[in-house]
Amino acid sequence: EVQLEQSGAEVKKAGESVTISCTNSGYTFTYYWIAWVRQVPGKGLECMGIIYADDSDTRYSPSFQGQVTISVDKSIRTAYLQWSSLKASDTAMYYCARVVYSSTSWYFDFWGRGTLVTVSS
Amino acid sequence: QSGLTQPASMSGSPGQSITLSCTGSSSDIGTYNLVSWYQQHPGEAPKVIIFEVNKRPSGVSNRFSASKSGNTASLTISGLQAEDEADYHCSSYAGNSNLVFGGGTKLTVL
Repeated sequence: EVQLEQSGAEVKKAGESVTISCTNSGYTFTYYWIAWVRQVPGKGLECMGIIYADDSDTRYSPSFQGQVTISVDKSIRTAYLQWSSLKASDTAMYYCARVVYSSTSWYFDFWGRGTLVTVSS
Repeated sequence: QSGLTQPASMSGSPGQSITLSCTGSSSDIGTYNLVSWYQQHPGEAPKVIIFEVNKRPSGVSNRFSASKSGNTASLTISGLQAEDEADYHCSSYAGNSNLVFGGGTKLTVL
């Protein structure tokens, strides 16, 4: 069974750093890309970027380039999303999702339950 | 890149059919047959219900169907049921490894 297990909720102050994680099981991790998706409370979904689990090739969406760092440790089947200096506007639910990505396909087939990051100013 | 445009809310009665729209541009929906739709119940993660414009994953009800014309994609839910009440998000590949989403439509079953 494919599972994406996300780390627990974080409560931080503006300016602090944080890293959240997404541990994968039930499939060959290195065959897939993993995406991070933001959802501000009451709003829509935004794809932040994707990372290929085998070689860490990372593609950031323009809105998030330079704002976060996406990484992966394939030895423990885990993807990460990191902030070095949080802002109050980073308050959101963050989902990781497995990406079906090829020349003929591009969608998210399995999702984690989400990690809520709350940033106070 | 800009996001896709979806109506903020829609409603329908049980048993009816309803069609949700998703409008993009020639840079995304108009060029790529890579539109997907996600259903999200309150407090839950999104779940894919349509991929590659009109394909349903295994286990998704055949009451869900979808299509695309020009820069607009559509999701039709037939025989509305109470369990269909949820948020529906459309997305499209937009080139250069970018995926854009719509703002989501909140569907209420009256």
